[in-house]
Amino acid sequence: DAKTTQPPSMDCAEGRAANLPCNHSTISGNEYVYWYRQIHSQGPQYIIHGLKNNETNEMASLIITEDRKSSTLILPHATLRDTAVYYCIVREITGTASKLTFGTGTRLQVTL
Amino acid sequence: NAGVTQTPKFQVLKTGQSMTLQCAQDMNHEYMSWYRQDPGMGLRLIHYSVGAGITDQGEVPNGYNVSRSTTEDFPLRLLSAAPSQTSVYFCASSYLVTYNSPLHFGNGTRLTVT
Repeated sequence: DAKTTQPPSMDCAEGRAANLPCNHSTISGNEYVYWYRQIHSQGPQYIIHGLKNNETNEMASLIITEDRKSSTLILPHATLRDTAVYYCIVREITGTASKLTFGTGTRLQVTL
Repeated sequence: NAGVTQTPKFQVLKTGQSMTLQCAQDMNHEYMSWYRQDPGMGLRLIHYSVGAGITDQGEVPNGYNVSRSTTEDFPLRLLSAAPSQTSVYFCASSYLVTYNSPLHFGNGTRLTVT
């Protein structure tokens, strides 16, 4: 599975959109982009995933560039409860190479 | 629906002791994995399995053994605990065909080795 690169930390004011970038320049055509977050020391929580089209669910939006080498997770109206570490990973569709590595993620701090 | 269940939640061991961290899932997931998380290190993959009877090493497998005798269970064994194994351990599972199958994580086991 391809590697990802994320900034170590970001700040966002409550009520504003939080835009978290992820670089996955070595992604291959059969790999999905997944986003997770971890609040305090709980188990990571799934947020959203996509292949090449932009995706939106009740939690967030995912924007994937046309060349698929990077993506952005958007939390449209960040709240204090969105303060967490956010992980971007890529994963093969078939799962035959399932050696998933998470990296250190981006620590998002939402402030008043 | 219980999801991924890890036991125990907390454990303290002395150096050299052995123990097994339990992980069970009730979603009929083929893929199961163990991660450890240390401060500032993110999640590091220890071992994973793509089905009963099949296991493979991750990034940091030394000092840990796994087996997968059933689809539901994926225990992690520490044969001789060391202080360097003090960490929070997470188990995760998913379907093997992953186009629409995120990883489901347990709530973790916090292990301290003295």
